[in-house]
Amino acid sequence: DIQMTQSPSTLSASVGDRVTITCRASQSISTWLAWYQQERGKAPKLLIYKASTLQSGVPSRFSGSGSGTEFTLTISSLQPDDFATYYCQQYSNYSRTFGQGTKVEIK
Amino acid sequence: QVQLQQWGAGLLKPSETLSLTCAVSGGTFSAYYWNWVRQPPGKGLEWIGEISRVGTTYYNPSLKSRVTISVDTSKNQFSLELTSITAADTAVYYCARAQVILGPPLRLGQIDYWGQGSLVTVSS
Repeated sequence: DIQMTQSPSTLSASVGDRVTITCRASQSISTWLAWYQQERGKAPKLLIYKASTLQSGVPSRFSGSGSGTEFTLTISSLQPDDFATYYCQQYSNYSRTFGQGTKVEIK
Repeated sequence: QVQLQQWGAGLLKPSETLSLTCAVSGGTFSAYYWNWVRQPPGKGLEWIGEISRVGTTYYNPSLKSRVTISVDTSKNQFSLELTSITAADTAVYYCARAQVILGPPLRLGQIDYWGQGSLVTVSS
């Protein structure tokens, strides 16, 4: 099984900050990686797929990069709606695994 | 506008079978894979498995022995059964749609639409 490890688990930041979340895969997954945002009590929302492709309707302050085993999600200027939990997910080789999540909190 | 509407029993006893169904409206049912994902209270997301319109399934190895996902294309619905449940199966269960990346080879793509979630509690 492919394991996904996110860091940090919690991140404290202020509105306007640049925020970066890292996701590492236990083996190469090429660019078969998605990022999701989940607000409390709601279903996850797709932000980025294929490591760096922005989902339609998602603000351009979100960006993704990486390939192989190391990936990043960057929020260029944190907005009030962005305080949420973020998950990476690999979808390589007919299985899916989520990272454990990164909670972005108000500093 | 794609919508996934899910339903099923919310309170079950240990050793019973969990059953959930998800109905899809909007979009082309046959062109996607259909997923179940769960989230225990206060914890992260866990992929359960997925199915194609013709019944091809992929399951999480850790749940495979207890999980069956089925599809009814005549109703644009798919279902989850999880047997021999325990308190550890208490979670919000989500149905979801995944893209298919045409090949060769055919690949599973990103999950892009989610149902509203159903809380299933296992308690004696």
